[in-house]
Amino acid sequence: ETGVTQTPRHLVMGMTNKKSLKCEQHLGHNAMYWYKQSAKKPLELMFVYNFKEQTENNSVPSRFSPECPNSSHLFLHLHTLQPEDSALYLCASSQDTFAQYFGPGTRLTVL
Amino acid sequence: AQSVAQPEDQVNVAEGNPLTVKCTYSVSGNPYLFWYVQYPNRGLQFLLKYITGDNLVKGSYGFEAEFNKSQTSFHLKKPSALVSDSALYFCAVRDLIYEDTDKLIFGTGTRLQVFP
Repeated sequence: ETGVTQTPRHLVMGMTNKKSLKCEQHLGHNAMYWYKQSAKKPLELMFVYNFKEQTENNSVPSRFSPECPNSSHLFLHLHTLQPEDSALYLCASSQDTFAQYFGPGTRLTVL
Repeated sequence: AQSVAQPEDQVNVAEGNPLTVKCTYSVSGNPYLFWYVQYPNRGLQFLLKYITGDNLVKGSYGFEAEFNKSQTSFHLKKPSALVSDSALYFCAVRDLIYEDTDKLIFGTGTRLQVFP
């Protein structure tokens, strides 16, 4: 689990705030992912990056903006979120092994 | 479309007893199947995977899973449960985006509660 780190672990923000979530992987993987985990719902894939190129955007609202400056770092920029966006946001990475390795997540609360 | 189903929201088992967490899948082509575990306030941890080969796959922490093609199932098992196994378990199937990029389709999760 220490191969993928996420900061912050907890975030409380108002609907007008702008914040960013950070993910870093130390595994040499080429693909990185953002997932949203809400209570009583399946994990939702949000974005996929492969070799820094976005290859999947799963109909995510524009108030979520991903950024992948290199294959080790992934950001999720947040702007004018809604209370229903409160969830655990998980980052993961993978490299040709078909297994994704997850970070500990950021627990986001939107007031 | 690829999908997995976990029919049980919760499984209760006494410590020392065998446990089974059920998963069925629906895929086109050969399935790539996974089990993950999530402890409270933690991310998902990879337990095991099936791609090809033996139908019985061994993974971390003494867990194993049996791939059954005729029943389209991939149940997670452990011969003797521990209280520390109590967690949320997710079954997942791989969906290919490009040759070297995959995404996982997760089930809704099954909460395992092991009682002393």
